[in-house]
Amino acid sequence: DTGVSQDPRHKITKRGQNVTFRCDPISEHNRLYWYRQTLGQGPEFLTYFQNEAQLEKSRLLSDRFSAERPKGSFSTLEIQRTEQGDSAMYLCASSLGPQNTGELFFGEGSRLTVL
Amino acid sequence: LAKTTQPISMDSYEGQEVNITCSHNNIATNDYITWYQQFPSQGPRFIIQGYKTKVTNEVASLFIPADRKSSTLSLPRVSLSDTAVYYCLVVPTDDKIIFGKGTRLHILP
Repeated sequence: DTGVSQDPRHKITKRGQNVTFRCDPISEHNRLYWYRQTLGQGPEFLTYFQNEAQLEKSRLLSDRFSAERPKGSFSTLEIQRTEQGDSAMYLCASSLGPQNTGELFFGEGSRLTVL
Repeated sequence: LAKTTQPISMDSYEGQEVNITCSHNNIATNDYITWYQQFPSQGPRFIIQGYKTKVTNEVASLFIPADRKSSTLSLPRVSLSDTAVYYCLVVPTDDKIIFGKGTRLHILP
């Protein structure tokens, strides 16, 4: 297994367009997290899953953001009607669940630029 | 969720031992203390995790006093490649994992 993979690594889009990011976690990992990170800040929690169940979504996240994890394997994060403020690095991480007893393994991230 | 407080930045020199202290006054009984390292344009990487006393691995040591309201990450004999952001996290066993702003460590030659 090569670890957590994210696709695409870079995405440039125009304001108002929709974008989707994909995360493939380490195969036996039950927990999957999405974070957003801007320059100089720590990763900001967006949402997380236990298998296919979305356990929590950040209250700071607008309704334009949606995530799913069908069948408890890969996950997608969609941003509708992108805004310039959505420009950031989107990080996915997975861990061996069901509880937080081990480390998070992060992907390399998907960098979004909204023009 | 327990909040963490750590220095915004630190400088040190190659070959020195670096200690980064984090305070987490409202840590809960079942929470673990975990540290991550992040290089530019990469995702964070797990360094070490502990519950109490001292934990050591090939990369670092983690010191946790009896009251668990603080912890200290110790990096022995740092090199230029240790320049990174270091995050102290209090990890609940069954809740989301939150990152703070971290400590920017700059190693000088």
